[in-house]
Amino acid sequence: QKEVEQNSGPLSVPEGAIASLNCTYSDRGSQSFFWYRQYSGKSPELIMSIYSNGDKEDGRFTAQLNKASQYVSLLIRDSQPSDSATYLCAVNIINNNDMRFGAGTRLTVKP
Amino acid sequence: SAVISQKPSRDICQRGTSLTIQCQVDSQVTMMFWYRQQPGQSLTLIATANQGSEATYESGFVIDKFPISRPNLTFSTLTVSNMSPEDSSIYLCSVSSSPWGYTFGSGTRLTVV
Repeated sequence: QKEVEQNSGPLSVPEGAIASLNCTYSDRGSQSFFWYRQYSGKSPELIMSIYSNGDKEDGRFTAQLNKASQYVSLLIRDSQPSDSATYLCAVNIINNNDMRFGAGTRLTVKP
Repeated sequence: SAVISQKPSRDICQRGTSLTIQCQVDSQVTMMFWYRQQPGQSLTLIATANQGSEATYESGFVIDKFPISRPNLTFSTLTVSNMSPEDSSIYLCSVSSSPWGYTFGSGTRLTVV
C-alpha cells in the first residue's frame, strides 16, 4: 500500500464550481498534513496545512482532516481557471523531517 | 518561510557526464532535502542532507550516483553522476519551514542525451 494515495485525475470542473480533492494515508502516526499546488513546469508551493481533526479554511480553500479514517481533503470554492494545476497531498511522519507525497491530482477548471 | 535559490534552472547534458546542482538558502537550516520528479510523476525523496555528516539516502539511491555535499547550514549540492537518459528529470531541493511544511527551490530540469 502506498503511503499517501490520491486519485490521479484528471479532475475537471466548470468555473465557479467546487473542486474536491481527496487523499488517504497509511501511517497512523502521521502528525501534519499539507496540500501543495504545482503549476506545469514549476516547483510545488504550499497552499494549506492542517494538524488537527476538522476543517481549516483559508479564503477559497478548505482543508479537512479525519485522522480516524486517515483521510485528508481539499475543497476549492468558486474554482477559477487559474486554479488549474496538479495538487499534491503530503503527510509528515515525524517532526517535519519525513514528508511523503502523493502522486498528485491534476485539476482543470474550464471557463 | 525560507527562500531558496537553485541553479542551474535547466541543462542538457551528454550521456556519461556529471552535473552538479546547487541550492542556497537565505537562512540557516538543519536539514535540506533533495527530490526527483520524473515527468508526470510525484516527488521522490533522494536523500536528506545534514550539515557535518553524510547524507541519508532513500532506498534505490546511492551515494556514488548522487553524491551530496553540505558544507554549511545554508548551502548544499547534489551531483548526478555518469548520467544516462533515465536520469532526465526535474531535481528539487527543499527545506523544512516548520510549521509550514516544506519550501522548494525552483527546480533543475535535466535532459540527458
